[in-house]
Amino acid sequence: SQQGEEDPQALSIQEGENATMNCSYKTSINNLQWYRQNSGRGLVHLILIRSNEREKHSGRLRVTLDTSKKSSSLLITASRAADTASYFCATDAAGANSKLTFGKGITLSVRP
Amino acid sequence: EAGVTQFPSHSVIEKGQTVTLRCDPISGHDNLYWYRRVMGKEIKFLLHFVKESKQDESGMPNNRFLAERTGGTYSTLKVQPAELEDSGVYFCASSRRGVGNVLTFGAGSRLTVL
Repeated sequence: SQQGEEDPQALSIQEGENATMNCSYKTSINNLQWYRQNSGRGLVHLILIRSNEREKHSGRLRVTLDTSKKSSSLLITASRAADTASYFCATDAAGANSKLTFGKGITLSVRP
Repeated sequence: EAGVTQFPSHSVIEKGQTVTLRCDPISGHDNLYWYRRVMGKEIKFLLHFVKESKQDESGMPNNRFLAERTGGTYSTLKVQPAELEDSGVYFCASSRRGVGNVLTFGAGSRLTVL
């Protein structure tokens, strides 16, 4: 079964707006990560949040984690056309022997 | 440092043929992973090497798939014989041992089985 499920599946916004993407998961985790994939490229790591953390920032990215609800959100502020990509959350399940489990991803389109 | 390199970038084969995908991880990365994404679906784990040993191959679909990592450097993933449902993008990723397990991915090998 799928561990990480992102929501929405597709998001289209105007440049300068904020983009919020959500991820839900099922099992206990060590950490949760967000990755970005530009078309035809590999996934690029964006940010990692540990299970004992609630919020983390990196540049225009803000990630929150709610372990009681088994959910995370990724906020991209002041979006740019270059943020157009697919975004994936990945969970490192507790006791899972270092295997990341990914979801289907969210397709973000930022209109110039 | 050089990134994760995958070859070929795209392969088109007929059902029943054999294909071998290659991954060169970042030098010094003991962990090597294979993942697959079928169109529109999630990125699914296939297997995990630590150096040359298979740590976890629970995601391998069936015995038509064979992965090797001789000498703990590059890895190959062979599909023999290929079926239509094997089409997708095969990603390789590597990481150092340690806390956090942040993966560095290759660009992927797109496999099309006709």
